[in-house]
Amino acid sequence: AQTVTQSQPEMSVQEAETVTLSCTYDTSESDYYLFWYKQPPSRQMILVIRQEAYKQQNATENRFSVNFQKAAKSFSLKISDSQLGDAAMYFCAPRGGETSGSRLTFGEGTQLTVNP
Amino acid sequence: GAGVSQSPRYKVAKRGQDVALRCDPISGHVSLFWYQQALGQGPEFLTYFQNEAQLDKSGLPSDRFFAERPEGSVSTLKIQRTQQEDSAVYLCASSAPGTAYEQYFGPGTRLTVT
Repeated sequence: AQTVTQSQPEMSVQEAETVTLSCTYDTSESDYYLFWYKQPPSRQMILVIRQEAYKQQNATENRFSVNFQKAAKSFSLKISDSQLGDAAMYFCAPRGGETSGSRLTFGEGTQLTVNP
Repeated sequence: GAGVSQSPRYKVAKRGQDVALRCDPISGHVSLFWYQQALGQGPEFLTYFQNEAQLDKSGLPSDRFFAERPEGSVSTLKIQRTQQEDSAVYLCASSAPGTAYEQYFGPGTRLTVT
């Protein structure tokens, strides 16, 4: 079983600034993947970034990067040069292996506001 | 190519009615997932198909919930005798086989039970 904690229900950032969203998780799996998804008001869930747990190198995708601390089971998302279009609900979601059915387990989410 | 589509986008049902929610996955995606998202919450897993086989239905909240994918493509989530607590957004996602692949989500169906 997997559990996810996103301790920041709401965050705000000024346009062009940097913001970090936190996530901690617990899992009994040894092989798993971690994802950040964003969900704008349209409800369409969009993948932001993916991290393989076996990789030590932190994933980067343009302005988005993660700080993955496997021992601490921490997986934070950093958004650089924030843009108005980044405003959305952000979900951290580990995905287990085949034994857990490859399902995603979502946290409660962090609502990000970007101020012009 | 086309993404995951869901229909209807909105559904209002009176308590006790049966509803059917449809999901069209991305062509060629063998894995299909259903999630339930209550207002202000993160999505919660309902069930998982690989092709036509329902491999995990442990998240279905009651025996009033039933899902099928008879030909390994389109899936239908059926809710019998709807209750107010069933009001939520129902999300469908599909992916290529293997845990490394991301799940692509549809726009969801918002179900309101009155």
